[in-house]
Amino acid sequence: DADVTQTPRNRITKTGKRIMLECSQTKGHDRMYWYRQDPGLGLRLIYYSFDVKDINKGEISDGYSVSRQAQAKFSLSLESAIPNQTALYFCATSQSGRYEQFFGPGTRLTVL
Amino acid sequence: EDQVTQSPEALRLQEGESSSLNCSYTVSGLRGLFWYRQDPGKGPEFLFTLYSAGEEKEKERLKATLTKKESFLHITAPKPEDSATYLCAVLRPGGSARQLTFGSGTQLTVLP
Repeated sequence: DADVTQTPRNRITKTGKRIMLECSQTKGHDRMYWYRQDPGLGLRLIYYSFDVKDINKGEISDGYSVSRQAQAKFSLSLESAIPNQTALYFCATSQSGRYEQFFGPGTRLTVL
Repeated sequence: EDQVTQSPEALRLQEGESSSLNCSYTVSGLRGLFWYRQDPGKGPEFLFTLYSAGEEKEKERLKATLTKKESFLHITAPKPEDSATYLCAVLRPGGSARQLTFGSGTQLTVLP
């Protein structure tokens, strides 16, 4: 089945460490997104990319950076992790011309 | 500012007890409203897209409806396996920067 995968699924790290979360997809979609989910706040968009050469900030991009290595791969980096970046992180994809997004299984990140 | 509000925050039903979840929004010029199901520890799973007032979509025991101010997710004769958090999201208008704004979800528990 065409799918969206994320690695790692769980990560515990310390304040100040650099962390990379990876997303890959076999859906053939050209658009990819990174969200974080916090209890009571819903899903919030961090960055999105409409193709390999296109990167856009979402509503909460401070403290994060991204890289679109290929159409199927989109990674999220925390250059210097801080405790309030503890959250569930989701990657999603969509196809241009359609707006429904399809989500990966998530990465649970804990910053101590 | 665009707002998406879901109610109730949590809902407990007996198996077979039909009910509705609400998603109200303040986005002007809505381009689409999406419903997702999220199981604990998993990514949101796409259910429906609604584009215009009066539109309805059905899938098994779920039916989604849309008015100019809100959407309802009706659950008919629910079963315990329908227990999940249901998220709605609205698509903002605005050229290439179209993004989804998510509500914080309704946690549904269906008791056997």
